[in-house]
Amino acid sequence: GAGVSQTPSNKVTEKGKYVELRCDPISGHTALYWYRQSLGQGPEFLIYFQGTGAADDSGLPNDRFFAVRPEGSVSTLKIQRTERGDSAVYLCASSLSPSGGAKFFGPGTRLTVL
Amino acid sequence: GIQVEQSPPDLILQEGANSTLRCNFSDSVNNLQWFHQNPWGQLINLFYIPSGTKQNGRLSATTVATERYSLLYISSSQTTDSGVYFCAASGNTPLVFGKGTRLSVIA
Repeated sequence: GAGVSQTPSNKVTEKGKYVELRCDPISGHTALYWYRQSLGQGPEFLIYFQGTGAADDSGLPNDRFFAVRPEGSVSTLKIQRTERGDSAVYLCASSLSPSGGAKFFGPGTRLTVL
Repeated sequence: GIQVEQSPPDLILQEGANSTLRCNFSDSVNNLQWFHQNPWGQLINLFYIPSGTKQNGRLSATTVATERYSLLYISSSQTTDSGVYFCAASGNTPLVFGKGTRLSVIA
């Protein structure tokens, strides 16, 4: 596609529920990144994939967060037992390679946990 | 890991004025990008500039990698330039973002 796309654009859920957020990277980009942005802050790194494998998941806050990229293209970020503190905008980015070159961001998914 | 600091945190300009935003980073980088986050939250790529100088219309950027800083210049500012400007840098790790500069351009 022309750019990185993310669905849904907005997600409202109740505390304790499970959510999935989807990212479609730019076609041909092998590196895919997930970030989280809280109000008034810069985006914070969560995890990145090179191909199908998670190359660095050091930013995941705890084991309730998990991400997959089974075919090396689309990625899903999964959050179990959501908490109110998980409310944020979740951003996805992709790049041709992780070692250099520009990263391009999607429009984000705004997650609200009630 | 790498630290990224931006200044000033907030900036108010009269339409038509020029401004300079600064980004300092703590280590050598192979990626440095400037973004504009619009009111809808979209991060718009402005420059990929790990070193050197680039210009795009009223915007230009310079990165002096040896001195670990980058500057974003906005000339003849317009109200549509308002928003948050982020600098992000990386070495061998994913991009680390600064806290941003919130720019308000007043007509």
